[in-house]
Amino acid sequence: DTEVTQTPKHLVMGMTNKKSLKCEQHMGHRAMYWYKQKAKKPPELMFVYSYEKLSINESVPSRFSPECPNSSLLNLHLHALQPEDSALYLCASSPWGQGNEQFFGPGTRLTVL
Amino acid sequence: QQQVKQSPQSLIVQKGGISIINCAYENTAFDYFPWYQQFPGKGPALLIAIRPDVSEKKEGRFTISFNKSAKQFSLHIMDSQPGDSATYFCAASRFYGGSQGNLIFGKGTKLSVKP
Repeated sequence: DTEVTQTPKHLVMGMTNKKSLKCEQHMGHRAMYWYKQKAKKPPELMFVYSYEKLSINESVPSRFSPECPNSSLLNLHLHALQPEDSALYLCASSPWGQGNEQFFGPGTRLTVL
Repeated sequence: QQQVKQSPQSLIVQKGGISIINCAYENTAFDYFPWYQQFPGKGPALLIAIRPDVSEKKEGRFTISFNKSAKQFSLHIMDSQPGDSATYFCAASRFYGGSQGNLIFGKGTKLSVKP
């Protein structure tokens, strides 16, 4: 298995909902990332887990909560989001911990109503 | 010092032509320079990357040229095809940088290849 998978592909949620995004990789990579990407902009780093420990939290609002249950799985829990949080949420992984080659998943398109 | 400047913002090339996208960086500690290709609604795909021990790397129609003294690198797409129409992001980082190893992205170039 040589890819990063993300579910769901699309998600529409209200501002009072709680939802979760899921990311999986079975390449044995030891770092996993969450990025947010707005239209016509580069990906913006949100969180990094390196060896299953949260390494970086780029001053992301607490309505976004990451979780790394094991080395293959990364979740992003969403609660009380705002319409401006609508974006493409990308997961990535890299082989030897933080830094070096990063491989991105297809993303989850999130719309907050 | 963390910026990566990418140009042009958009590029229109005829089929069969050469597409050239340029990036410049400031942080001399950067030692890993990847290019990502992104189609609308999809995640970025790692296209090609270079480390500073070589000045050029070629993979098929895609070539990275790297100028360490000028702190610049560029992507050349030879024989450009309509299927190459996408947004291209350059990036830079410290390859074994640990917490300093995050990718710093350029702002992207939207390439359109006309048939």
